[in-house]
Amino acid sequence: NAGVTQTPKFQVLKTGQSMTLQCAQDMNHEYMSWYRQDPGMGLRLIHYSVGAGITDQGEVPNGYNVSRSTTEDFPLRLLSAAPSQTSVYFCASSRFYNSPLHFGNGTRLTVT
Amino acid sequence: GQQVMQIPQYQHVQEGEDFTTYCNSSTTLSNIQWYKQRPGGHPVFLIQLVKSGEVKKQKRLTFQFGEAKKNSSLHITATQTTDVGTYFCAGEDTGRRALTFGSGTRLQVQP
Repeated sequence: NAGVTQTPKFQVLKTGQSMTLQCAQDMNHEYMSWYRQDPGMGLRLIHYSVGAGITDQGEVPNGYNVSRSTTEDFPLRLLSAAPSQTSVYFCASSRFYNSPLHFGNGTRLTVT
Repeated sequence: GQQVMQIPQYQHVQEGEDFTTYCNSSTTLSNIQWYKQRPGGHPVFLIQLVKSGEVKKQKRLTFQFGEAKKNSSLHITATQTTDVGTYFCAGEDTGRRALTFGSGTRLQVQP
């Protein structure tokens, strides 16, 4: 099994550009979430989904959109990239919201 | 909102020395999870503690959940270079169906 797959691994954007970070899991997990990781700040929750068709905001949702049309996929959209969004982004999934999380390998995003 | 704090932020030890990281929550937790992230890698689940006062061991790693379910610790006995990485605790966010992560403790082991 592939587990949680994130693409791309690296991305450089200019301020104002938009893009979508892809996340897919093949474990039939109901719960999926997006975190960003900045030096010294741990992992901060951006958005999460408890099942297909249901999404909710996390701690730092501004500037990001998500959708969950299928159980497998949970893309994260940056509408208008800003330098403050330079970070490493991790997608994670689990059976339920308080079950152990399985993380993808991450996407390193730089916004210039 | 809920805060999960970890100390220390960073620790450098000689190989063979012990290491402990502490996690404190501003609210009572239903459970706590621990993760390890190797440099350049992604967080990997280590263990979940659910019961008040629970102690679990994984080889040289000992995990404890406080009696009040507001704090936890991870102790590594006789560190090895393979223990290098950042250790995170995570607790259930009371306002959301999600985990709140501590800021992590970065462990460096000198051979």
